[in-house]
Amino acid sequence: QSVLTQPPSASGTPGQRVTISCSGSSSNIGSNYVYWYQQLPGTAPKLLIYRNNQRPSGVPDRFSGSKSGTSASLAISGLRSEDEADYYCAAWDDSLSGSWVFGGGTKLTVL
Amino acid sequence: QVQLVQSGAEVKKPGASVKVSCKASGYTFTSYGISWVRQAPGQGLEWMGWISAYNGNTNYAQKLQGRVTMTTDTSTSTAYMELRSLRSDDTAVYYCASWAPLGPGGWFDPWGQGTLVTVSS
Repeated sequence: QSVLTQPPSASGTPGQRVTISCSGSSSNIGSNYVYWYQQLPGTAPKLLIYRNNQRPSGVPDRFSGSKSGTSASLAISGLRSEDEADYYCAAWDDSLSGSWVFGGGTKLTVL
Repeated sequence: QVQLVQSGAEVKKPGASVKVSCKASGYTFTSYGISWVRQAPGQGLEWMGWISAYNGNTNYAQKLQGRVTMTTDTSTSTAYMELRSLRSDDTAVYYCASWAPLGPGGWFDPWGQGTLVTVSS
């Protein structure tokens, strides 16, 4: 059971906009930044969004992040087939003496 | 470019230990931390712990306390993760990731390629 809660799956057709939610608590998302990682099939995770809504260089602006209270969201607009991957949210948790917590992951399928 | 290269796959018997290495290049090793994350087959990511390459401070996930040790060798820019008393549910791909800036405002980037550890009798 993951500390952060994500839907196990999401889907969309090419060109659509999809959102993936991540729910936590006051000790993690409520008081710290949220990060998003993309894991393409058979590869290591890759940083997608940092500090709630910042994109590393090289990440298309089709990807955006937001946070409100104890929840966060990842939005992908103009969906493309290469976006099919697993997406994980993560946050620092103050109640666990300086530990990181992950969501269970959301498998995005491009139909 | 900034890169983390991990050691190769391991097969271990229950009760044994495994030590995975993670060699960093392309940046000042002691300016960052290293986090270790594992992923059981078909499962999500599980944070295991972190180590500061600057001063060696560590913090481990509660469920692994007493079985895991993370170290660094600054002379070779290499981080190590040792897991003892292996069980079948420790079978997973183990990732290292560079973590900066240290603390809740930092992020994991880049990640190593992963090391598959299989625990089987």
